[in-house]
This record gives sequence, structure tokens and C-alpha cells, in this order.
Amino acid sequence: DAGITQSPRHKVTETGTPVTLRCHQTENHRYMYWYRQDPGHGLRLIHYSYGVKDTDKGEVSDGYSVSRSKTEDFLLTLESATSSQTSVYFCAISESGRGNNEQFFGPGTRLTVL
Amino acid sequence: GENVEQHPSTLSVQEGDSAVIKCTYSDSASNYFPWYKQELGKRPQLIIDIRSNVGEKKDQRIAVTLNKTAKHFSLHITETQPEDSAVYFCAASNRGSYIPTFGRGTSLIVHP
Repeated sequence: DAGITQSPRHKVTETGTPVTLRCHQTENHRYMYWYRQDPGHGLRLIHYSYGVKDTDKGEVSDGYSVSRSKTEDFLLTLESATSSQTSVYFCAISESGRGNNEQFFGPGTRLTVL
Repeated sequence: GENVEQHPSTLSVQEGDSAVIKCTYSDSASNYFPWYKQELGKRPQLIIDIRSNVGEKKDQRIAVTLNKTAKHFSLHITETQPEDSAVYFCAASNRGSYIPTFGRGTSLIVHP
């Protein structure tokens, strides 16, 4: 597996609390992505980054924010978690980000919002 | 933007049979088509990909075909084995995009 980790791997929280998920890579890849995976929906893009401090929204960005202050770290924040954000979250990295190269996925974070 | 449709959503086969999963895409500018396999509780991992300048690519028991005119591509698995049981995702992307668009996935079940 590519050098990509996610933390925490599991989290249970309550509605209305802030939550931050961390993605860390050791591959020095420029592009990083956050996806959520829900049954019947496949992988849906939340936000992505094409460099330090360069981020953009994906198709399901409402209720989420991201930050990337270093090449190796990409943080996903749920400002006020809701039950609809219960999901499995995957971080991914790719080298060129032009869509022509393989994406490497992290192990995932299972988030439950009660 | 790009739209990728994937069928079927579930596929059940007997060990040794072949399995075919099909995807269609909408953006004629798409030129890279990867397939990912996700085993239960694991992360998606690339198993094969194809670029728009070729029509077919094989890797042992798996192959991918691409029809640019019809805008569809397919994953073929021959001599299926129980360890092929997983969810398979197709995706499409183009040079100008940072974002691959994924299909919704196919759950392949191989019965011993």
C-alpha cells in the first residue's frame, strides 16, 4: 500500500459536535481527495486539493471544510456533525491529479453520528 | 460534467464462470478509465486501467475493453474464483480534470 494513513479509524460522536479527520501521506503526491462512501452511492467526492492551501469543492461539499497547510496532511472538518454525515470516509492521493494516474486510497474512517 | 453509469449493481456467478461489468460515460473528452476492486472492509485498489488510445488490455484473468464511439467500457473476469468476490468500481477522467468520476459500483459474488 502507498504511504497513506487516516486517523482516527473509527469515531462515534454526537449531533452538533465538530469532528476533524486527518489524512497523512508520505508519497509527496501533489493531489489529495476526500470521499465518502455510502451504500448505493459509490464514492462521492467531498473536497480535493491540488497543492498546499489550494483546495476546491466536490459534489457533496455542504457541511464540510478542508485545510492543507503541508503537502503531507489534508484535514476534513465537519463543523457541526449531523446524522446524515454518518459514513465511511476515504482519503486518496494521486501524483499528477490530471485524472490520468492511479489514485491510492487510505484505509478509511468509519464515522457514526448519533 | 462527466456522468458514469455502471451495471449491474449486483452480479452473482458460479466459480469458474465469467463475469462482465459494464460502464458508460458521457464526456467524449474522457481518456483514462480505471477499475478498482474493494474487498469487504478494505480500501479500493486499482486492478486495471485503460487509456483511450487502446481498445483492450489484459492482465491474466482480467481484461478491460473500451469502445470510444459508443462511450462504454467493460471489465471481464474469466475463470472466477471466490476471492474475486468484492465491489468493483469503474471511473472515467480526462486530461483537463483533476477528478475521476466513479460509477456506483458492482457487488460481485462468486459462489464456490
